[in-house]
Amino acid sequence: DAKTTQPTSMDCAEGRAANLPCNHSTISGNEYVYWYRQIHSQGPQYIIHGLKNNETNEMASLIITEDRKSSTLILPHATLRDTAVYYCIVRVAVSGTYKYIFGTGTRLKVLA
Amino acid sequence: EPEVTQTPSHQVTQMGQEVILRCVPISNHLYFYWYRQILGQKVEFLVSFYNNEISEKSEIFDDQFSVERPDGSNFTLKIRSTKLEDSAMYFCASKTNTEAFFGQGTRLTVV
Repeated sequence: DAKTTQPTSMDCAEGRAANLPCNHSTISGNEYVYWYRQIHSQGPQYIIHGLKNNETNEMASLIITEDRKSSTLILPHATLRDTAVYYCIVRVAVSGTYKYIFGTGTRLKVLA
Repeated sequence: EPEVTQTPSHQVTQMGQEVILRCVPISNHLYFYWYRQILGQKVEFLVSFYNNEISEKSEIFDDQFSVERPDGSNFTLKIRSTKLEDSAMYFCASKTNTEAFFGQGTRLTVV
């Protein structure tokens, strides 16, 4: 089962920042938080990941609380093309590799 | 930018037939995955593959499913005798040490 919980849906005005929260209260000390998004039925697209420090790349910023029990994905200037389902995932180590377990995600709708 | 390629994009098959879904992972990646997504549902883990063997599989991945890396570049998922409930999008993914990259999927329709 997924180790994360997210709101089912959110709306955001175009041009504004979209802040997507995620709870992962059972995360272990060495487990990373990953964010992916899925536009329509396309393959999930990697956005960003982090362990305990805040991270930023060209797509988004990731803010992880000090206790690591929650995080927020920030899309600084949302566009209509950012409308998608956003998945917060705790990457789990299993049998010498890693497994990405998807939850139900947050359906973000960017409004014109 | 390197990408994971899946073929075909859409496969229609009759119930009971065997299907093989093909994936070409990114060339220097070592870890491979198959996921599926039934229409309207979440993305579900099927299997992970590393060092030419399965490292983890889900309850969905029963004896009807198998994976293979036949020639060092392709990574295939075989369903021996398809059922109606196997209809779904099937996604292949590959990774090195950090993020996994997903292909665009194969839509399997079992009729």
